[in-house]
Amino acid sequence: DTGVSQDPRHKITKRGQNVTFRCDPISEHNRLYWYRQTLGQGPEFLTYFQNEAQLEKSRLLSDRFSAERPKGSFSTLEIQRTEQGDSAMYLCASSLLPGGSGELFFGEGSRLTVL
Amino acid sequence: AQTVTQSQPEMSVQEAETVTLSCTYDTSESDYYLFWYKQPPSRQMILVIRQEAYKQQNATENRFSVNFQKAAKSFSLKISDSQLGDAAMYFCAYRSGTSYGKLTFGQGTILTVHP
Repeated sequence: DTGVSQDPRHKITKRGQNVTFRCDPISEHNRLYWYRQTLGQGPEFLTYFQNEAQLEKSRLLSDRFSAERPKGSFSTLEIQRTEQGDSAMYLCASSLLPGGSGELFFGEGSRLTVL
Repeated sequence: AQTVTQSQPEMSVQEAETVTLSCTYDTSESDYYLFWYKQPPSRQMILVIRQEAYKQQNATENRFSVNFQKAAKSFSLKISDSQLGDAAMYFCAYRSGTSYGKLTFGQGTILTVHP
């Protein structure tokens, strides 16, 4: 399967702990995005990378959140000192730029539950 | 800032019938794209159909078509000959023509298909 893969699919943690999610995009895609989706809502943009450069960050991305894409391939999203409000599905997507309409290909998501 | 509104939290349709999902958006831009994404339960989001704002002709993909009313800022999705596999959450999304991949999503519409 050459789609976007995310790991882990589900993480349960206690408040105050740190968690890290990994995303492997489609191999030839140079743009990678992170979105957050809470139950019953549409995804909200968090941040995106072009190759290894983080080009934009949403105001939703507090100081406790950090994302990296060190070699322009996979990306990690770390949440420090988790809070119950961080419970959500974290979606990764990738796209190819330039060309096309910038269609995003999504992974299945990493669901975070903070107890 | 752009906003996307889906006013129908839930819709249902009988198998083989036609259903229309509504979406309105607000923007001051002239160059943009609109999308409908489908998110089946516990599966990744996939693109159903896209519309370039500069195109007057409504997009069509097999059983899926849109009614794009640019002046009214309306973008509805029509699903013809509904199938059980069409059951999912459907999201309308907006992308600025200058932003490759940063999507603004609506709240979603849950579509149930009855056999």
